[in-house]
Amino acid sequence: DAGITQSPRHKVTETGTPVTLRCHQTENHRYMYWYRQDPGHGLRLIHYSYGVKDTDKGEVSDGYSVSRSKTEDFLLTLESATSSQTSVYFCAISERDMGTGELFFGEGSRLTVL
Amino acid sequence: AQSVTQPDIHITVSEGASLELRCNYSYGATPYLFWYVQSPGQGLQLLLKYFSGDTLVQGIKGFEAEFKRSQSSFNLRKPSVHWSDAAEYFCAVGGLISSGSARQLTFGSGTQLTVLP
Repeated sequence: DAGITQSPRHKVTETGTPVTLRCHQTENHRYMYWYRQDPGHGLRLIHYSYGVKDTDKGEVSDGYSVSRSKTEDFLLTLESATSSQTSVYFCAISERDMGTGELFFGEGSRLTVL
Repeated sequence: AQSVTQPDIHITVSEGASLELRCNYSYGATPYLFWYVQSPGQGLQLLLKYFSGDTLVQGIKGFEAEFKRSQSSFNLRKPSVHWSDAAEYFCAVGGLISSGSARQLTFGSGTQLTVLP
């Protein structure tokens, strides 16, 4: 199994509070991604990174920010959580860009915003 | 922009029966196509992929998929389903993004497979 660790795995928070999810990899892969999974929507890309300090937006980036200061860590931050951000968040990594390479997924972080 | 449609939200089959999960895509050029599987409480795992060449591709766990350009389809098949195949299956297409040479992956909404004993 690919070495991907997401933390926390479960979190309950209140509307308006900041939340940071962490993704840590031990594979030294160049690309890292944050997806959210919601019923009926499949997986939707939030942000991705193609190198240290190199990030770009996905299709549902509003309300989220990311940072990647080291190859192995990719942080997703909700500056002020809203109920619409209740979801399961998946981190993924790949050696090649997402459209051509196999993605390896973490086990997910379930976030509930009350 | 590319898109993926999985028309079946939920499919139920009996163990030992054959399976076909449908996937239709929209993309202007030759796409990169993938099938992923998600077991309960887990992340996604790649089953198989198609980039070019033989339109029938073999994957892990006895799955195969056939690329049909004329129908814009990439259906997943298995001749005999096992109870452990119960999971959610996602089709995905990798298409070039407009701003550069990188490809973006777009997932379908998934098909939940239930296997009856």
